[in-house]
Amino acid sequence: DQQVKQNSPSLSVQEGRISILNCDYTNSMFDYFLWYKKYPAEGPTFLISISSIKDKNEDGRFTVFLNKSAKHLSLHIVPSQPGDSAVYFCAASWGGRGAGNMLTFGGGTRLMVKP
Amino acid sequence: DSGVTQTPKHLITATGQRVTLRCSPRSGDLSVYWYQQSLDQGLQFLIQYYNGEERAKGNILERFSAQQFPDLHSELNLSSLELGDSALYFCASSVDPGFIGYTFGSGTRLTVV
Repeated sequence: DQQVKQNSPSLSVQEGRISILNCDYTNSMFDYFLWYKKYPAEGPTFLISISSIKDKNEDGRFTVFLNKSAKHLSLHIVPSQPGDSAVYFCAASWGGRGAGNMLTFGGGTRLMVKP
Repeated sequence: DSGVTQTPKHLITATGQRVTLRCSPRSGDLSVYWYQQSLDQGLQFLIQYYNGEERAKGNILERFSAQQFPDLHSELNLSSLELGDSALYFCASSVDPGFIGYTFGSGTRLTVV
């Protein structure tokens, strides 16, 4: 049972344009969402997060949007740069007993930004 | 360098064997997490330790075990290895309380032949 899904395995975007990566979740108990970026041969790197009490969080070129009613979040990258080419994972957590700080990850979306 | 150190980076071993993966968390982080990533899939949570004690457990096989030592480094032990255990194993650490996300190590690639 995949509680966090990234339905697009890959995305190709032209440099300077907007990249939109999508993520859907099924567990309504999730209250904190994160995006990670991963380059080959490296561990995932934290990018941006959002609490369920917000619907938008912005950090430079990166903005995350959360639509709780649709159980959907998206990551916008504007403008996209070739260095953004990587695999992007969305992840979710909830603060319930026994959950610790466990993150549930989506399967990832490979973003390719073409010069 | 993320500050989370994992050793070894690569490991090749035969089926039925036992291996130990090691992780040193970022300075000041009390929580350590282990994740498994198989075949370009998402990361699967295995287990979390906080200051030496198990805090949360995922779908970790009974053949797998972990511990966190007083100096906060952690070890993941994988025994009776099977071909399907071949994967990237990531360790991460975090500040706790005040969790705002993990810092991951660069992983250990385990190949079982």
